[in-house]
Amino acid sequence: DAGVIQSPRHEVTEMGQEVTLRCKPISGHNSLFWYRQTMMRGLELLIYFNNNVPIDDSGMPEDRFSAKMPNASFSTLKIQPSEPRDSAVYFCASSFFQEAEAFFGQGTRLTVV
Amino acid sequence: SQQGEEDPQALSIQEGENATMNCSYKTSINNLQWYRQNSGRGLVHLILIRSNEREKHSGRLRVTLDTSKKSSSLLITASRAADTASYFCATDAYAGGGNKLTFGTGTQLKVEL
Repeated sequence: DAGVIQSPRHEVTEMGQEVTLRCKPISGHNSLFWYRQTMMRGLELLIYFNNNVPIDDSGMPEDRFSAKMPNASFSTLKIQPSEPRDSAVYFCASSFFQEAEAFFGQGTRLTVV
Repeated sequence: SQQGEEDPQALSIQEGENATMNCSYKTSINNLQWYRQNSGRGLVHLILIRSNEREKHSGRLRVTLDTSKKSSSLLITASRAADTASYFCATDAYAGGGNKLTFGTGTQLKVEL
């Protein structure tokens, strides 16, 4: 398996634009996590899914953020409209529920100017 | 929000020395995990210790867990320059039909030749 695949690796966008980050989890994994990492706030859990169902989205900072998982092999994190303070590295991770170990993608570095 | 706080925030040692990092957390857990992150990369799982375990070893890694104090430590013995990275503890707690994996603030380890 190629591991968790995130796209794009880098995204630069203007304030007010919509941004969509994509994640393909490892085949067979049934838990998926979205994290945001900044120097100031560290690694924050935004939302996680189990069997494609959102379990806890309490970490989503604002209504501008939304996440979907339409099937077991794909998830998106959307920011609309984007703001400069959204600039961060966004990680997706997946795991097999019973085994707990999470596998991370390489991240998407988002810059909002 | 972060579940864990790590101590120290930064650690600089000489190659061959041991490195000890500590993690404190707030709520009940199923297990506690340690991850490593090289600069600009995703996190990589190192070791998992279950809530009913007190100590675990894996190669040069030794992890302890004290659930009464809600704390854990990671010891890296005979450190190498290649161990230079950030190390994070992560608490795994069952919540609402899924495992919620929340990370601490991290320790930046630098191993000098």
